Amino acid sequence: GESVGLHLPTLSVQEGDNSIINCAYSNSASDYFIWYKQESGKGPQFIIDIRSNMDKRQGQRVTVLLNKTVKHLSLQIAATQPGDSAVYFCAENGRGAGNKLTFGGGTRVLVKP
Amino acid sequence: GAGVSQSPSNKVTEKGKDVELRCDPISGHTALYWYRQRLGQGLEFLIYFQGNSAPDKSGLPSDRFSAERTGESVSTLTIQRTQQEDSAVYLCASSSTSGSDTQYFGPGTRLTVL
Repeated sequence: GESVGLHLPTLSVQEGDNSIINCAYSNSASDYFIWYKQESGKGPQFIIDIRSNMDKRQGQRVTVLLNKTVKHLSLQIAATQPGDSAVYFCAENGRGAGNKLTFGGGTRVLVKP
Repeated sequence: GAGVSQSPSNKVTEKGKDVELRCDPISGHTALYWYRQRLGQGLEFLIYFQGNSAPDKSGLPSDRFSAERTGESVSTLTIQRTQQEDSAVYLCASSSTSGSDTQYFGPGTRLTVL
């Protein structure tokens, strides 16, 4: 079936460096994508979203890039900080998928001091 | 303003018992979702409520699982005759409307079935 997945299960990054988290999706009808951050013992926290009519969207220290040609989504975190250590999930809510989100398996980001 | 709240935060039960989990969505949010997250895994959709429409139950894993919602407020997820494989974190989310609107999550209820 259609799915959303991630390439890297764990990413170690030095404090101050940039982080890039990747996500592949298979539903070509997907039109809305979201990145969530989940810290231990907490629910997922919305970071940034992007619709399929855009290629790039920027937030505070975060940028999401969407490549519809290869069905790839990435989250870039600038100047990674210790508080960025968490599991990051991409999710999609495509046309025909109803209103439920389909989540990837998650990438753990570990920030080294 | 207040976010999504869930109770209890932790629940330990014995195999075969029934459990009820509660979700209070953000005030004014018409859509409410339940997800399950097993240890170290992503989120699995369970059920979705939108206003007075019939809920989307397509993610419920068995007939032991059911959920109710009163109007556009509180929802309860009930698991009957719990099994060990039901152990997981159960997350609730709400959004202001259906479709491609941001879902805001509660902290979850961690269920442990002994």
